[in-house]
Amino acid sequence: SQKIEQNSEALNIQEGKTATLTCNYTNYSPAYLQWYRQDPGRGPVFLLLIRENEKEKRKERLKVTFDTTLKQSLFHITASQPADSATYLCALLYNQGGKLIFGQGTELSVKP
Amino acid sequence: GAVVSQHPSRVICKSGTSVKIECRSLDFQATTMFWYRQFPKQSLMLMATSNEGSKATYEQGVEKDKFLINHASLTLSTLTVTSAHPEDSSFYICSARDLRVAGVGETQYFGPGTRLLVL
Repeated sequence: SQKIEQNSEALNIQEGKTATLTCNYTNYSPAYLQWYRQDPGRGPVFLLLIRENEKEKRKERLKVTFDTTLKQSLFHITASQPADSATYLCALLYNQGGKLIFGQGTELSVKP
Repeated sequence: GAVVSQHPSRVICKSGTSVKIECRSLDFQATTMFWYRQFPKQSLMLMATSNEGSKATYEQGVEKDKFLINHASLTLSTLTVTSAHPEDSSFYICSARDLRVAGVGETQYFGPGTRLLVL
């Protein structure tokens, strides 16, 4: 069955540094991969989508890479700020019906 | 951007009662909505896919008679937890696809979630 793994440990970094989160998957070749942000007690908020034929995508301070050979996506937040502290989820499209499979999330804490 | 709302945001009920949760797409039509459940410190687990005008598709291990889904219109889906028990206490989140985006509906917009506590 499909399996998605994200950094299991919480990530603590200093303000201004670059945060790098990892998403690995097995037994699957998704058409695209998405990253979401989730704050405590709230629903996920969509951040970025990257397709299988794209290597990299950027949005402001965010950058996502997608390596279909390694079956891995990296999510970077440059010039991190305390407001970036949250749990970040990666999700793979399971089928054309829109079904998503989520990783367990990585909790990011940015210290001032 | 597309907005999805849920109501109620929090609900406390007694064991054995039924609870209805509403999910609405506020500024777009959604032929497909999804219902997830999330336990503390865990990821979102898809429960079912709600299709407007037809029966919902449930994931393996999810009891369709316990979690009733109705998608009566293009902007509203409801999840009813019947005969709720303490183990049903969880964070329930819905999402909807905005088919206006890229023509394929790749982006899902999530509601704020409903916290259910069954005593």
